[in-house]
Amino acid sequence: DQQVKQNSPSLSVQEGRISILNCDYTNSMFDYFLWYKKYPAEGPTFLISISSIKDKNEDGRFTVFLNKSAKHLSLHIVPSQPGDSAVYFCAASSGAAGNKLTFGGGTRVLVKP
Amino acid sequence: EAGVTQFPSHSVIEKGQTVTLRCDPISGHDNLYWYRRVMGKEIKFLLHFVKESKQDESGMPNNRFLAERTGGTYSTLKVQPAELEDSGVYFCASSHGYSSYNEQFFGPGTRLTVL
Repeated sequence: DQQVKQNSPSLSVQEGRISILNCDYTNSMFDYFLWYKKYPAEGPTFLISISSIKDKNEDGRFTVFLNKSAKHLSLHIVPSQPGDSAVYFCAASSGAAGNKLTFGGGTRVLVKP
Repeated sequence: EAGVTQFPSHSVIEKGQTVTLRCDPISGHDNLYWYRRVMGKEIKFLLHFVKESKQDESGMPNNRFLAERTGGTYSTLKVQPAELEDSGVYFCASSHGYSSYNEQFFGPGTRLTVL
């Protein structure tokens, strides 16, 4: 049973436009949500996170939105750049469960110049 | 500061053989996690060490997998005997503190292929 889902396996966007990545979760115990970025042959790299007590967190071009009632979060990248082309993983954790990360399946983003 | 390192980067073995993966966390990080990504699917948790103690091994698939972290420094993950379904990329991550806010830093992974 997959507790974190990313329903879009891929996304293609023009350079300069907005990229929107979506993630849904089912476990109400999750209290912290993260986005990781992964390039080929590398490990995931932390991008941005949000606590369950917030509904928005912004860091430069990256903004994460959390809708707890809908159990949904999204990552906005504005403006998108070619270097943003990578696989993005949504992840969730629960302090009660030792902070192990539960990942979604990933969304491959391609930013076209 | 050196990041998380993993060895080997690739391993190709035959079914029934034994393989040992190694992870060196960032110095001073008490928390060490093992994850696995199989067939391009989601990355799945295997186990969590706090120093040398296994805090959570709920994600270990079966008793063919044995993880150790002697002395609370580097960790090894042994698969014995390996099966075809064990193929995938094994990631190690480490973090300093125990809070959700303590970022987990990932290594580059070990790609294991079982033939």
